[in-house]
Amino acid sequence: EVQLVESGGGLVQPGGSLRLSCAASGFTFSTYSMNWVRQAPGKGLEWVSYISSSSSTIYYADSVKGRFTISRDNAKNSLYLQMNSLRAEDTAVYYCARVAVAGWYFDLWGRGTLVTVSS
Amino acid sequence: SYVLTQPPSVSVAPGQTARITCGGNNIGSKSVHWYQQRPGQAPVLVVYDDSDRPSGIPERFSGSNSGNTATLTISRVEAGDEADYYCQVWDSSSDHFYVFGTGTKVTVL
Repeated sequence: EVQLVESGGGLVQPGGSLRLSCAASGFTFSTYSMNWVRQAPGKGLEWVSYISSSSSTIYYADSVKGRFTISRDNAKNSLYLQMNSLRAEDTAVYYCARVAVAGWYFDLWGRGTLVTVSS
Repeated sequence: SYVLTQPPSVSVAPGQTARITCGGNNIGSKSVHWYQQRPGQAPVLVVYDDSDRPSGIPERFSGSNSGNTATLTISRVEAGDEADYYCQVWDSSSDHFYVFGTGTKVTVL
């Protein structure tokens, strides 16, 4: 089955760190660009970060630049998001999402993992 | 940064047609994609490249894009179509390369 499964979410204090993982299966992970997208409680979708298939190109939203680091391990079919200096406004469900081969849109999403930043 | 504006809510009776707009500056020059998000679930792609449908998406879902407005149309609305809908474009000049609309809650009466 083609799927993405996120893990690593939880409760963390402001200023703390957390590492999210996304396990891919059912497709050739190494040929796809990947992203993290988040959704604060009761709010809309916000793109967070992009990484190309070979990790040669990486982008971040201004809201997380300098604090978050995206990476991947194609041998392990896994995507990661290292989140440092977390703030209350980072509280959200974090989704990993696959970029379609033919265009700049997301054709496969995981179920998400909840990150709560609170003291 | 590039902004996409959607109406907060749309209400429609079963069997009728729902139209969800997505406004952006000269959005007709971009490719627009649409996602459905049912409560408590992850988003699902329902239309890509303005008007194409992924496999498994009913023909009742269609899209158009011209000028400053893109539109997602849901024909013969069913109870299962009740969800939030988001438009999305890619904009290299934005601080968010992947730009999402503000979202529209579709309520089936």
